[in-house]
Amino acid sequence: GENVEQHPSTLSVQEGDSAVIKCTYSDSASNYFPWYKQELGKGPQLIIDIRSNVGEKKDQRIAVTLNKTAKHFSLHITETQPEDSAVYFCAAPGGRSGGSQGNLIFGKGTKLSVKP
Amino acid sequence: DSGVTQTPKHLITATGQRVTLRCSPRSGDLSVYWYQQSLDQGLQFLIQYYNGEERAKGNILERFSAQQFPDLHSELNLSSLELGDSALYFCASSLGSGGAGETQYFGPGTRLLVL
Repeated sequence: GENVEQHPSTLSVQEGDSAVIKCTYSDSASNYFPWYKQELGKGPQLIIDIRSNVGEKKDQRIAVTLNKTAKHFSLHITETQPEDSAVYFCAAPGGRSGGSQGNLIFGKGTKLSVKP
Repeated sequence: DSGVTQTPKHLITATGQRVTLRCSPRSGDLSVYWYQQSLDQGLQFLIQYYNGEERAKGNILERFSAQQFPDLHSELNLSSLELGDSALYFCASSLGSGGAGETQYFGPGTRLLVL
């Protein structure tokens, strides 16, 4: 089955700086990579996703890049703001073996702190 | 607001007890997923239902069971509760059967505390 590793576990940046979070995955057949933001006391919220037929996707200050050869993908947040402070999770589809077809396998999360 | 609702928000119970968590998916979504979030294990997939039928199973304990009703809401039943079952339980929903690449939308979660 799929295995997702996420780094770093914590990240502290100054307001206005950029933040980068990296994830690696193990199953070369994986083709969908979402990123979720979880604020305290709330459920994970999808912020951006990428499919394996593209290498990069942008949405305002957020971008995701995918390197299928190296099996890693990254979240880039530019011009960070205090409201970007949250825990960010990457994910990949669960492996086909064992019948796990619709689930997501999540990284352990990155706690991002943006200091004003 | 994702459109996925979960009740209750908080649940405090004792070891050995049984509880039921409820989830209503987004309007039009046919799949419901249950995840458990704990500090040491992170977000772990438990089970998926699609249009009333079990579709995929993850690391769900035998003491746990779920079902999806004709109106597509789902319930997760946790029995013989242990201290280690204390966690956040999230429900997510997606439009179809959950093939790779289908967006999942998460609810606000139920925080379970077993004393």
